[in-house]
Amino acid sequence: DVKVTQSSRYLVKRTGEKVFLECVQDMDHENMFWYRQDPGLGLRLIYFSYDVKMKEKGDIPEGYSVSREKKERFSLILESASTNQTSMYLCASSLPGKGNTIYFGEGSWLTVV
Amino acid sequence: DAKTTQPTSMDCAEGRAANLPCNHSTISGNEYVYWYRQIHSQGPQYIIHGLKNNETNEMASLIITEDRKSSTLILPHATLRDTAVYYCIVRVAWGRDTGNQFYFGTGTSLTVIP
Repeated sequence: DVKVTQSSRYLVKRTGEKVFLECVQDMDHENMFWYRQDPGLGLRLIYFSYDVKMKEKGDIPEGYSVSREKKERFSLILESASTNQTSMYLCASSLPGKGNTIYFGEGSWLTVV
Repeated sequence: DAKTTQPTSMDCAEGRAANLPCNHSTISGNEYVYWYRQIHSQGPQYIIHGLKNNETNEMASLIITEDRKSSTLILPHATLRDTAVYYCIVRVAWGRDTGNQFYFGTGTSLTVIP
């Protein structure tokens, strides 16, 4: 079974703090993704990585950065957390190619106060 | 991505088959039909996907019509743990040069009744 593991399920952080969300996948997938999910807005892509040290901006990259130093690990960084970044964050991974399948982690609920 | 249409909600008796329909009349030839579900406060869970032929795995079966304009997800013996929102998505792939948006649409809220 594919497993995408997000390090923290629930976090509460203060405005201005630097926040790290870690994600690890165990299936040797090239592609990794970070989304956020908000009520009424669905899933929105923050960043995508197709290889180690490679990254592409998604639809809403502002206020976020990412790091992919190892194939299995993809980190999302909030440089200075703000209240509008309160959300559920979802990490996902996939192999490349047509008809591939994207697998999600359980999600990290971040509250910024 | 092609647009999909699903009923807003459905009920199913525990132990019976749940048949969830999806219309995707504008699907193009290289787009796959994917099904995911989401239980409240958890990440989306992959169920099954297919291109033309019917598919079956340990979770479900996927029936795609010959013209590929609609499909049905079948949960053969629904349990209470299958209560979730089910999403039908049509896409070629996720990865480089594909956009990587994950559009849910409205989905079908399935309630399995004891």
